[in-house]
Amino acid sequence: DAKTTQPTSMDCAEGRAANLPCNHSTISGNEYVYWYRQIHSQGPQYIIHGLKNNETNEMASLIITEDRKSSTLILPHATLRDTAVYYCIVRVLRNNAGNMLTFGGGTRLMVKP
Amino acid sequence: EAGVAQSPRYKIIEKRQSVAFWCNPISGHATLYWYQQILGQGPKLLIQFQNNGVVDDSQLPKDRFSAERLKGVDSTLKIQPAKLEDSAVYLCASSPWGSRGLYEQFFGPGTRLTVL
Repeated sequence: DAKTTQPTSMDCAEGRAANLPCNHSTISGNEYVYWYRQIHSQGPQYIIHGLKNNETNEMASLIITEDRKSSTLILPHATLRDTAVYYCIVRVLRNNAGNMLTFGGGTRLMVKP
Repeated sequence: EAGVAQSPRYKIIEKRQSVAFWCNPISGHATLYWYQQILGQGPKLLIQFQNNGVVDDSQLPKDRFSAERLKGVDSTLKIQPAKLEDSAVYLCASSPWGSRGLYEQFFGPGTRLTVL
């Protein structure tokens, strides 16, 4: 699985958009980008994933550059409850028997009032 | 739907003692994972089960760690004997069979283990 690089920490004002970058310059053509987050004292939570097209769901938007070497997770209107560690993971979409996740250090997002 | 249940939530033991953690995955989820999360780091996979069979245990320290998933539902992770470096949060996750299980894992709240 491709290696990812994320900033260690970021701040965001409540109500503003939070843009979390992830570099994955060695990504292969069949590797997807996944985002999970982990709120303090909880287990990680799936947010979104994509291959090459931009994706949006009720939680966030995922913007993947055309060369797929980087991506940005966007929380459009951050709230205090979005304060968490955000993990960017790149891996092949395997069958159900091979879907273990490899987490890096993630980005600690602090949303401030 | 009910989430992944884990118990106990906290455990404090002395080094060289034994400890066991229990996980009840979401009903119907075929795949179950155990992760170890050391303070300040991301979770690291220890073992993955598909029903009651082991898919991947390559990162499980088998000299002291063991895990089982009898009947393909609940799972138990055991450490015997514990070392100081085993202090961590032990997370259980499950995922359903099918397309959703290809990208989403559902995590429990974890068990925080402190080894003194």
